[in-house]
Amino acid sequence: GNSVTQMEGPVTLSEEAFLTINCTYTATGYPSLFWYVQYPGEGLQLLLKATKADDKGSNKGFEATYRKETTSFHLEKGSVQVSDSAVYFCALRDTSQGGSEKLVFGKGTKLTVNP
Amino acid sequence: DSGVTQTPKHLITATGQRVTLRCSPRSGDLSVYWYQQSLDQGLQFLIHYYNGEERAKGNILERFSAQQFPDLHSELNLSSLELGDSALYFCASSPVGTAFYGYTFGSGTRLTVV
Repeated sequence: GNSVTQMEGPVTLSEEAFLTINCTYTATGYPSLFWYVQYPGEGLQLLLKATKADDKGSNKGFEATYRKETTSFHLEKGSVQVSDSAVYFCALRDTSQGGSEKLVFGKGTKLTVNP
Repeated sequence: DSGVTQTPKHLITATGQRVTLRCSPRSGDLSVYWYQQSLDQGLQFLIHYYNGEERAKGNILERFSAQQFPDLHSELNLSSLELGDSALYFCASSPVGTAFYGYTFGSGTRLTVV
């Protein structure tokens, strides 16, 4: 079935460091891809998305490019802030179950940014 | 505020009991999805309703059931609770039956079974 694999955490960085969180997927075709962020005690919030190959999603300084050749959607940010500390989830749109669609999530990567 | 409302925020109950979790989707959204989040399993899809009809089931136990009402709010019923059912339960909504643009999540209900 369709699945998402993202790098194991936790990831600890200093403020202003460069961030990369790896995400690869297994799916039939070219599904929409997403990054969600979960701050402590809150629900998941959509951070960015890409709906077709070579698209780049971006938001709040974060970027991810849909690479069909490597089936990847890595999340990057050039300079992280303490406020970016959260758990990040990569997800894909799964249409393999006829008549329904759902998002399939990776296990999440916890990011801690120290001042 | 995402616009998706879940109640209660916290719930503590004993093994063997039954609880009901409630979700009101964002205004205008017809689809409601339920997910279970636990430390070992991550985010697991439970069930999807669209405009009152069940569309898909995921890893939902037979002890669990859900429905979506005419006003589009949804309830997730968990019965014969076990310690392992302790988790965060999220609902999410989207405007139609597609996940093409993603969902909007509520802030979750934390269930603790003691």
